[in-house]
Amino acid sequence: GAVVSQHPSWVICKSGTSVKIECRSLDFQATTMFWYRQFPKQSLMLMATSNEGSKATYEQGVEKDKFLINHASLTLSTLTVTSAHPEDSSFYICSKASSYEQYFGPGTRLTVT
Amino acid sequence: RKEVEQDPGPFNVPEGATVAFNCTYSNSASQSFFWYRQDCRKEPKLLMSVYSSGNEDGRFTAQLNRASQYISLLIRDSKLSDSATYLCVVNSGGYQKVTFGTGTKLQVIP
Repeated sequence: GAVVSQHPSWVICKSGTSVKIECRSLDFQATTMFWYRQFPKQSLMLMATSNEGSKATYEQGVEKDKFLINHASLTLSTLTVTSAHPEDSSFYICSKASSYEQYFGPGTRLTVT
Repeated sequence: RKEVEQDPGPFNVPEGATVAFNCTYSNSASQSFFWYRQDCRKEPKLLMSVYSSGNEDGRFTAQLNRASQYISLLIRDSKLSDSATYLCVVNSGGYQKVTFGTGTKLQVIP
């Protein structure tokens, strides 16, 4: 069964609004979770590493003030896309890792109109 | 040079064919290697890890060549259900942080 859930699975929002995406670990606690973005016909690109109880670590080129990450508990990380623009439309996927593999959520498809 | 490179394909092969994908990586310090499968609009799922000695899982064989910094995936007796994008994944720093290749699209045709 699924070990990582995401909500919502898809969302359409207007330009300038904010959208929150939730990522939950359903089995073991996850002190670290990862947020990826995937544009059509492109690979998954790591946006940030979410750390429980501390600040997220953002990859180069990812605006931390635009993509707010909160990891307030051992089973929940949230990504908020603030002031969304059409170019933020993408497939957002979260994951957690064990020593041997990453477990991905089902993804959230964001469309900004 | 990209950290992880793959031929995007598509590879169109008939059912029953054998097909191989290669992936090159630039960081010689990389320690862990994986092949993931991603179906359209779905999340990636682990297909297999790649070990130094090479490993096989049914119709799938993975190889690692550290000297040339590439990994490969061989699929024998292709099935229609093998149609997907195959992602090469390399540990890039810290035991949990990984980098994905752009993926190789496979289409198995009847």
